[in-house]
Amino acid sequence: EDQVTQSPEALRLQEGESSSLNCSYTVSGLRGLFWYRQDPGKGPEFLFTLYSAGEEKEKERLKATLTKKESFLHITAPKPEDSATYLCAPLETDKLIFGTGTRLQVFP
Amino acid sequence: DGGITQSPKYLFRKEGQNVTLSCEQNLNHDAMYWYRQDPGQGLRLIYYSQIVNDFQKGDIAEGYSVSREKKESFPLTVTSAQKNPTAFYLCASSSISKGTEAFFGQGTRLTVV
Repeated sequence: EDQVTQSPEALRLQEGESSSLNCSYTVSGLRGLFWYRQDPGKGPEFLFTLYSAGEEKEKERLKATLTKKESFLHITAPKPEDSATYLCAPLETDKLIFGTGTRLQVFP
Repeated sequence: DGGITQSPKYLFRKEGQNVTLSCEQNLNHDAMYWYRQDPGQGLRLIYYSQIVNDFQKGDIAEGYSVSREKKESFPLTVTSAQKNPTAFYLCASSSISKGTEAFFGQGTRLTVV
C-alpha cells in the first residue's frame, strides 16, 4: 500500500532558526515529488518539483532535496511569514497522493 | 486567466441530502482530482480522473460519486451515504502526460446542519 509520512507533525521555530522537514514515501512507479505550502482555509500553493534522486531546488529561504525514499525541505533563517502547513506529494503513475503535512510556526 | 475554479466557497447541507460541488478548469489538463481535508489533517484522495468518461476511486470514495463528461469539469456529489461529510474539499488538475505539478482550486467548505 502506498504511504507518505511527513515529520515532524508540527514545528515551532524562532525567527532565524533553521530546520528541516522530512517526507518519506513508499510508492510504486514514482514519476516525481511535489512540495506545496498551504495557508489556513486556502488551497495548496505549489513550491517545487523534484524528479530524480540527488536533485535539489531552491526558492528564497527554502531548499528541497530528493533521495530514493525520502525528500527534505530545508528552511534557512525562517521568517514569521513562512508559517504555514507544508505538504509533500509523490506522483505515482496515475495518481497524486499527499502526506499528512508539517505545520510550521515561526515566532519573531 | 487560466486556472481552476471551485464553487461554492461555503455550502450547508441538511442531513440526508445529496449535494454537488463544482470544479472547472481551463488549463487543458487531462487529470483531475478531488481531495478531502479535515481540520489539522492532510489531503485524502476521494476520486481521480485521467480522461473524459473515466475515473478511479481513491482512498476514501465511499459515500461520494463523480462524473467526467467534459475535460474541463469534474463535479463531486456528496451523497447521504457519507456519514461524516463536514470537511474542506479541494479539487486539483494536472497534466499527467507531462508529470507536472497539480494546480488547486480555493476549496469548498461543506457543513452539515
